[in-house]
Amino acid sequence: ETGVTQTPRHLVMGMTNKKSLKCEQHLGHNAMYWYKQSAKKPLELMFVYSLEERVENNSVPSRFSPECPNSSHLFLHLHTLQPEDSALYLCASSQEATVVNTEAFFGQGTRLTVV
Amino acid sequence: AQSVAQPEDQVNVAEGNPLTVKCTYSVSGNPYLFWYVQYPNRGLQFLLKYITGDNLVKGSYGFEAEFNKSQTSFHLKKPSALVSDSALYFCAVRDLRGGFKTIFGAGTRLFVKA
Repeated sequence: ETGVTQTPRHLVMGMTNKKSLKCEQHLGHNAMYWYKQSAKKPLELMFVYSLEERVENNSVPSRFSPECPNSSHLFLHLHTLQPEDSALYLCASSQEATVVNTEAFFGQGTRLTVV
Repeated sequence: AQSVAQPEDQVNVAEGNPLTVKCTYSVSGNPYLFWYVQYPNRGLQFLLKYITGDNLVKGSYGFEAEFNKSQTSFHLKKPSALVSDSALYFCAVRDLRGGFKTIFGAGTRLFVKA
């Protein structure tokens, strides 16, 4: 275990549904991230939070809405998704967002299927 | 702009043989380079990183990587492959000008045959 826990592991939702992905880190890190991993594509950075403040929003559609209530928890709220949003969504954390020589710790991911 | 290239979609190697997974990068300033591994149905797991100093970096599970500044490469190596090394490997880069972003390569699938 890496100290980063994501729930649920799998999610199937209709295009009109609203659901949320949850991430929790037990490492005392100050930075948390959402990534999207699609088949045969590089990992896409979606959002970065540093000390609960969003510091990076990588041109992500508004149907994805992140929330970081404290430095240990990160949510990704989903609504009116499209089938092309089906992917593995990975949460990660690191000690500090601005320290370039630190590695990230990833959760196991949520496999999202939009039907 | 930062970029990472992993030129091989898949690498096949026999168990016991040495393996190399290739990575080249492009950054404006000094690079900070990482390798991650992803096993099936799991998140990415950190293997090793190059910050500064020795060009040969040693990491987890017997892996090492060689930083070559002139060739802008950071190839992952292991002297003797195991079947359990079969996984998806990602090279990643950061630099000070890139801000909060870590740029990942597209990944290379390593298949080790018994």
